[in-house]
Amino acid sequence: QSALTQPASVSGSPGQSITISCTGTSSDVGNYNYVSWYQQHPGKAPRLMIYEVSNRPSGLSNRFSGSKSGNTASLTISGLQAEDEADYYCSSYTSSSIYVFGTGTKVTVL
Amino acid sequence: EVQLVESGGGLVQPGGSLRLSCAASGFTFSSYWMHWVRQAPGKGLVWVSRINSDGSYTSYADSVKGRFTISRDNAKNTLYLQMNSLRAEDTAVYYCARVYCSRTSCSSMDVWGQGTTVTVSS
Repeated sequence: QSALTQPASVSGSPGQSITISCTGTSSDVGNYNYVSWYQQHPGKAPRLMIYEVSNRPSGLSNRFSGSKSGNTASLTISGLQAEDEADYYCSSYTSSSIYVFGTGTKVTVL
Repeated sequence: EVQLVESGGGLVQPGGSLRLSCAASGFTFSSYWMHWVRQAPGKGLVWVSRINSDGSYTSYADSVKGRFTISRDNAKNTLYLQMNSLRAEDTAVYYCARVYCSRTSCSSMDVWGQGTTVTVSS
């Protein structure tokens, strides 16, 4: 199972919006609404940001939103803040009954 | 406080074995499916294995199938990962994670441990 494809890096200025893509296949992202997004700061454990494509865990800022079209899921961060600078990973359930993560995207706040 | 604490990592020679543990507290461990996820130095997250709440169902990434075994002891609130025939490419931080169940699915991971480091080297 190959990793889902994400851009290596995305950057934006404070207050701007950025979008991270996550491209899979019809065996994973395209076939299931089981896409999750995780934020990871250096040296820290990942944190769940979005589940089931577009749902936010309780208490999470509404600046984070998710969507999906075909085999590509997306995470949008609006009103970019300094603390959003981190690595972001998507994940999907697959038709092989296993999970796959994306390649990861480093978000830089300029 | 809901918490997962991994242990058991260390330095092991290629071909060797290691057993990782993940101690759960603050929630009803026996009600939750669990995952192991790893991250090689400077690399991305990689899913390793999953186990259901009573331990009767497991699944593995192809890269570890036949070498790694996931298990759990609900009486001890502990998840395990037995790793055999270790290779240099298994070097990574290993995280345990709890499965989050919404009203419609159980498909994400909402609680993560801090990780334990496994180094495979001669």
